[in-house]
Amino acid sequence: DQQVKQNSPSLSVQEGRISILNCDYTNSMFDYFLWYKKYPAEGPTFLISISSIKDKNEDGRFTVFLNKSAKHLSLHIVPSQPGDSAVYFCAGQTGANNLFFGTGTRLTVIP
Amino acid sequence: NAGVTQTPKFRILKIGQSMTLQCTQDMNHNYMYWYRQDPGMGLKLIYYSVGAGITDKGEVPNGYNVSRSTTEDFPLRLELAAPSQTSVYFCASSQTRSLHNEQFFGPGTRLTVL
Repeated sequence: DQQVKQNSPSLSVQEGRISILNCDYTNSMFDYFLWYKKYPAEGPTFLISISSIKDKNEDGRFTVFLNKSAKHLSLHIVPSQPGDSAVYFCAGQTGANNLFFGTGTRLTVIP
Repeated sequence: NAGVTQTPKFRILKIGQSMTLQCTQDMNHNYMYWYRQDPGMGLKLIYYSVGAGITDKGEVPNGYNVSRSTTEDFPLRLELAAPSQTSVYFCASSQTRSLHNEQFFGPGTRLTVL
C-alpha cells in the first residue's frame, strides 16, 4: 500500500524556468512532509520540509506547498539550474518518526 | 566528520549465502534506519533503532536481522540470500528530538543475488 505517490516519473525543464514536482498522499496522520534529493550513486540528502499545520514553506529557490484537503503537496524550484538535475523524493513522516517515501521524480534541467 | 558510512559499496551473492552490511555514523545520533530501494521504487524501511539495544521492524523486515550494540553501528544481516533481495540498501541516522525527522543517509550498498 503506497502511502505516498509521485505520479510523474520524470520532468524536463529549461534552465531558469520553474520546476514543479508533485506528490500525493493517503495517510492523514502524517505530521511532516519532507523532500529529499538524490544524485546517482549517492544517498538521498534532505532538501526542505513542511509541517502538516502549515501550507507553505520557503527556503531560497525552493518552496513547498501543502494542500491538506486534497492530500497533495508540491515542490517549486525557481529558477531551475542544471545542478538541480536529480531524483526528488517526497516523504511523509508519522509520529513514530518513520518516513514513507514516494517513488521519486527524475528532474532534468536543460541548459 | 564522515557522517554515515556503509560497506561494502557493491556485493554479489549466490542464493542461500549470508552477509552483513555494515553501517556506522559519527554524529552521535540515537536513531538509525535501514532502507532498501528497488528499481523505480521509493525507499522502504526494513528495520530501525531508537538507541543502543533497541530495534524494531519496518515495512519489509522479512529475510533480515539487525543488532544495535553501540550508538555508532547498525549492521544489517541477510541470512539466506534470495533474488528478491537484489536491491540498493541505504542506512540512515537522525537526531532524537528534531521536529521533522531529517535523516542523514549513507551512499548505499548495491547488492545482487544470483
